[in-house]
Amino acid sequence: GAGVSQTPSNKVTEKGKYVELRCDPISGHTALYWYRQSLGQGPEFLIYFQGTGAADDSGLPNDRFFAVRPEGSVSTLKIQRTERGDSAVYLCASSLTRIDEQYFGPGTRLTVT
Amino acid sequence: AQSVAQPEDQVNVAEGNPLTVKCTYSVSGNPYLFWYVQYPNRGLQFLLKYITGDNLVKGSYGFEAEFNKSQTSFHLKKPSALVSDSALYFCAPHPFGNTGKLIFGQGTTLQVKP
Repeated sequence: GAGVSQTPSNKVTEKGKYVELRCDPISGHTALYWYRQSLGQGPEFLIYFQGTGAADDSGLPNDRFFAVRPEGSVSTLKIQRTERGDSAVYLCASSLTRIDEQYFGPGTRLTVT
Repeated sequence: AQSVAQPEDQVNVAEGNPLTVKCTYSVSGNPYLFWYVQYPNRGLQFLLKYITGDNLVKGSYGFEAEFNKSQTSFHLKKPSALVSDSALYFCAPHPFGNTGKLIFGQGTTLQVKP
């Protein structure tokens, strides 16, 4: 079956611009997660959705980052006024419930110039 | 603060030999424990998990992991390594509670030589 998909696969943007990253989870998975992976590091948790609501957004680094999941399926991670330090691979994952194994998408590589 | 330690940046083994990738964690409560593998240019893949019960859990591709509560460790093992096992391995506790997040270590690169 189809796995988690993320678009775009690569995004290059200028400092100060706004970007949106999309995640399409596995059908039927109620839990959805965003992580950020910098070079040479493990993934760092950003936000967890249960259904349409953000159940844990403790990993969002500041108020420039925001995510939505309006219909409980597709999610969009939004970054305002991008900074060079935001450059990383942004990973999306989904799972049946919050205690099940998470299935990861291929990631979106964001480069802020 | 909750954390994961994978003390070896890289583990080198010869094909056919047993391998161990170490993981210790500092997470409150009784976390669920996961191992993931990341192949070059591919996404993170689930290998195995420990929830409760037998301290030795078996997973994909012949991997297994041993949970030790007193040492808060969850070491990944395989009796006989393959060259195709070469990849980046992550230990990831899942704190018990309302969050769904995984806490990842920095990862250990496994290099299996023919």
